[in-house]
Amino acid sequence: DQQVKQNSPSLSVQEGRISILNCDYTNSMFDYFLWYKKYPAEGPTFLISISSIKDKNEDGRFTVFLNKSAKHLSLHIVPSQPGDSAVYFCAASRVLRQLTFGSGTQLTVLP
Amino acid sequence: GAVVSQHPSWVICKSGTSVKIECRSLDFQATTMFWYRQFPKQSLMLMATSNEGSKATYEQGVEKDKFLINHASLTLSTLTVTSAHPEDSSFYICSAPKQGRENGYTFGSGTRLTVV
Repeated sequence: DQQVKQNSPSLSVQEGRISILNCDYTNSMFDYFLWYKKYPAEGPTFLISISSIKDKNEDGRFTVFLNKSAKHLSLHIVPSQPGDSAVYFCAASRVLRQLTFGSGTQLTVLP
Repeated sequence: GAVVSQHPSWVICKSGTSVKIECRSLDFQATTMFWYRQFPKQSLMLMATSNEGSKATYEQGVEKDKFLINHASLTLSTLTVTSAHPEDSSFYICSAPKQGRENGYTFGSGTRLTVV
């Protein structure tokens, strides 16, 4: 049972445009959500998080939106830069327990 | 702050040998360490959760006798892959919760294991 799903394995965006990465979850007990960026053969790099008491969190070019009723979160990157090209994982947890990861979305930002 | 140092970064070993992977929390005390495994082009899958001073909790399907986890101190957790086989070749990553709920999790840099 895949509790966290990223249905788009890949996404290509032109430099300067907005990148929108989507994530769905099924476990209503999750109360903390995170996005990570990962390069091959490296550990994930934390990008941004959101608690279930919020519906939006913004940090520079990155904004995460949470729709609890739809059990959906999204990561917006604007403007997208070539250096943003990587695999992005969404993850969910509750009360500092282990993270459950989505399958990842490969973002390619075209110059 | 809240850095986890993971070693080695990569290792090649022969079938049948054992490999130890270490994760050290450098500037905080990690009472809990999560161990993940990632196959190529797949997600990070939780293998086990280690807690300082107690036995690790393994996820379903993970052989506890094959993947030995030790969390003897608040700053060190180890994963030993025993009697390694080529199918154990993978990318292993540790992670620890940071101090405070909103601070998230910190990850080690990962270990690429290749069993030949």
